[in-house]
Amino acid sequence: EDQVTQSPEALRLQEGESSSLNCSYTVSGLRGLFWYRQDPGKGPEFLFTLYSAGEEKEKERLKATLTKKESFLHITAPKPEDSATYLCAVQASGNNRLAFGKGNQVVVIP
Amino acid sequence: GAVVSQHPSRVICKSGTSVKIECRSLDFQATTMFWYRQFPKQSLMLMATSNEGSKATYEQGVEKDKFLINHASLTLSTLTVTSAHPEDSSFYICSARVTSEYEQYFGPGTRLTVT
Repeated sequence: EDQVTQSPEALRLQEGESSSLNCSYTVSGLRGLFWYRQDPGKGPEFLFTLYSAGEEKEKERLKATLTKKESFLHITAPKPEDSATYLCAVQASGNNRLAFGKGNQVVVIP
Repeated sequence: GAVVSQHPSRVICKSGTSVKIECRSLDFQATTMFWYRQFPKQSLMLMATSNEGSKATYEQGVEKDKFLINHASLTLSTLTVTSAHPEDSSFYICSARVTSEYEQYFGPGTRLTVT
């Protein structure tokens, strides 16, 4: 069974204080690993897809990296508007489904 | 691009009645759409996968007669919660996937409250 574990569950950062979120996964043949951002009361917003170990993607203050066992979402010099829950999900080869982690709840304090 | 809408965003209904939620892909065609349920402080739980023109595939433990899913076109899927009970109160979110890509794009969600 595909499993995704995210840590830490919750994180409070000062504005400008860079940090990293971890997503550890086990999957039988990775088709893709996905990062989403979810604000309270809203649907997840797509951020990145990573397909193979060593791949990196960036968007503004966010950078996602992937190894064979885990992915990191680095937040550089965060701003209050980066406060959200970040969800990691994996899709196995030959499978339509996404397996989600429980999320990293990030609060950035001005 | 890749915008998914849901309607309504909030609905309150009485116990025993049925509620229909619509999910539309606005700027792309989606052969596959997904329906999720999310409880407070929890992650997304997949309820069913629907492919255009065919019957939905339900996850284990999800009652297909209670949660009716129709995917009649490449841009529209509906979820009908039949004979709703208070325990069906939840946040329901749909997603859609472009055929040639892997990412799922999510709608804004529908908050259902059953009184």
